[in-house]
Parts: sequence; structure tokens; C-alpha cells
Amino acid sequence: EAGVAQSPRYKIIEKRQSVAFWCNPISGHATLYWYQQILGQGPKLLIQFQNNGVVDDSQLPKDRFSAERLKGVDSTLKIQPAKLEDSAVYLCASSLFGQSREQYFGPGTRLTVT
Amino acid sequence: AQSVTQPDIHITVSEGASLELRCNYSYGATPYLFWYVQSPGQGLQLLLKYFSGDTLVQGIKGFEAEFKRSQSSFNLRKPSVHWSDAAEYFCAVVGSYNTDKLIFGTGTRLQVFP
Repeated sequence: EAGVAQSPRYKIIEKRQSVAFWCNPISGHATLYWYQQILGQGPKLLIQFQNNGVVDDSQLPKDRFSAERLKGVDSTLKIQPAKLEDSAVYLCASSLFGQSREQYFGPGTRLTVT
Repeated sequence: AQSVTQPDIHITVSEGASLELRCNYSYGATPYLFWYVQSPGQGLQLLLKYFSGDTLVQGIKGFEAEFKRSQSSFNLRKPSVHWSDAAEYFCAVVGSYNTDKLIFGTGTRLQVFP
């Protein structure tokens, strides 16, 4: 079984530029999550999708961050414009909602904003 | 609000020694608790989880954890550490029964000396 795929693995941009991250969850997983992990901290949930609907985006900075999950499969997270404090690892995870609550994580995208 | 505290930022042990990583949570009802491991450049891998029942939970790679309601703790243990166990370990709790949102601790970095 293929795991959660993310791309790119690394990205370096200047502040005020835009960037997009892509995630493809495990086949059949209806729930998809985006987490932000700042160095030295645990991951923090940015947004949770159930199929193509948003379940929780309470901690998503909506003035600069956006996410979509068209067709309820893969997802894109965008930052525009980026700030220095957005430097972090962005993790995507997927799960079968309501079943064991186990989330499977992708390798992450390390973003550096200069 | 739910929270997770991992009081040890960094732990160093010798290979073959026993290990205990501490985790304390704040949650009103019986929590869903998890331990994840993150190796450098990798996503998070689930070690074990507790939902209900037996308070001593066995996981992968020889790890176990014990849920103690009276102490609001879910400490991770391993009787004999291997050099390959060097990684970052995160304790997490599900935020509520209506969501799969994970609240993570800040992590404990484990270093293993030969």
C-alpha cells in the first residue's frame, strides 16, 4: 500500500513570494489533514478535510493561507504572500475517519522563507 | 483546552539501557492518546495508541506505554534501547470525540550513545 505522498520535499523562497504544496493521501482515505511543524515544536493542525469539505480550519491564517481538496482526493496548500515566520515543515496526513483515528503522515515539505 | 506536556526536551541514553519518555495530558474525559516517532527528514510514524481497556499498551519496535488516569500521564517505555531508536518522539491526544484533530506535545529528542 502506497503511503501519503507530498511534493516538493524542500522549497526556499523569499518573503512576499507565493508557494504551493501538494499532497496525495492513501487511497480510500476520506480525511486529509495539513499540519505546520515549526522547528522545536510539535505539529499544529492547519486544516482538516472530510472528502472535499472543510471540517476544521480554525488555526489556518486565512489572510495568507489557502487549501483545497478538489474531487476529495489530493490537496494543495498555498501561502501567499509568505512571511519569515512561515518557515516550517508542512506535513500532510490522511485517515479513515471514525476508524481507529490513526493518521498516516507523509514525509513533509520543508519550507524556508528568506 | 486540551494540551499535552512533554517535560523532557532532550534525553541521552546508552545503547542497551532502558528508556522512559514522559507525557502528561490535560483532557476532561477519557482521552485517545498516541505516541509518534519522527526520524530526521521523515514524517511521523505511529508507535502505539490508547483508546480504552488495558492501560498497558504494546506498540511497534518493542515500545510500550502505560495510561495512568490518576496522574494524567501516558509515558513511553522501552527496556533496551537500540542506536536506531535515536529520533524525536511526540505524544498526542485527540482533541475531542467529534474530531480527529491531534494535539501534539513539543517532543522529546532521544540521543543514543554506543
